[in-house]
Amino acid sequence: AQSVTQLDSQVPVFEEAPVELRCNYSSSVSVYLFWYVQYPNQGLQLLLKYLSGSTLVKGINGFEAEFNKSQTSFHLRKPSVHISDTAEYFCAVSDWNTDKLIFGTGTRLQVFP
Amino acid sequence: ETGVTQSPTHLIKTRGQQVTLRCSSQSGHNTVSWYQQALGQGPQFIFQYYREEENGRGNFPPRFSGLQFPNYSSELNVNALELDDSALYLCASSLGRTNTGELFFGEGSRLTVL
Repeated sequence: AQSVTQLDSQVPVFEEAPVELRCNYSSSVSVYLFWYVQYPNQGLQLLLKYLSGSTLVKGINGFEAEFNKSQTSFHLRKPSVHISDTAEYFCAVSDWNTDKLIFGTGTRLQVFP
Repeated sequence: ETGVTQSPTHLIKTRGQQVTLRCSSQSGHNTVSWYQQALGQGPQFIFQYYREEENGRGNFPPRFSGLQFPNYSSELNVNALELDDSALYLCASSLGRTNTGELFFGEGSRLTVL
């Protein structure tokens, strides 16, 4: 069965600093990978997705992620964070055979002034 | 274009009771998925409905059931509530299959079971 591991439950960072949120997945078949963001008291919003092609994927709000098949990773990065990036970030995986997303447990990004 | 709306936003029930949660899809979307998000956890897939038919189910017991209506709105019903059912229930709509597409989530219904 597929699974997703988000290695950090919380990531504190100062404003304008770079950040990386880590995600590893386990799967033996082709996968589709996603990052979602959940702001307080809101639903999840898609940040970016990897389906195929270029391994570097750019998303909204200046975020990007790199698909690394050999390391089964899909880490999320932003070169300079803002206070407004404070939220919960979820990595998710699906494959061609199912219609459901498998989510990780989330990483809480806390940006300090 | 209206987004995904869920009702109620909060509710409290006691063990053994039944609950119905409602979801209105984003305009034009024909697929609805339901997820359970326990505190401190990621969302867990409950089931999906496509054009009024169940189209996949996660590892949840039969007391979790659902419906999708001709206008593509949806209900999640949970019978014989247990304390562990306390969670945020998220509805997500999409157009067609969701494995490559984008899910549009509502803000959720927070259920507390006492």
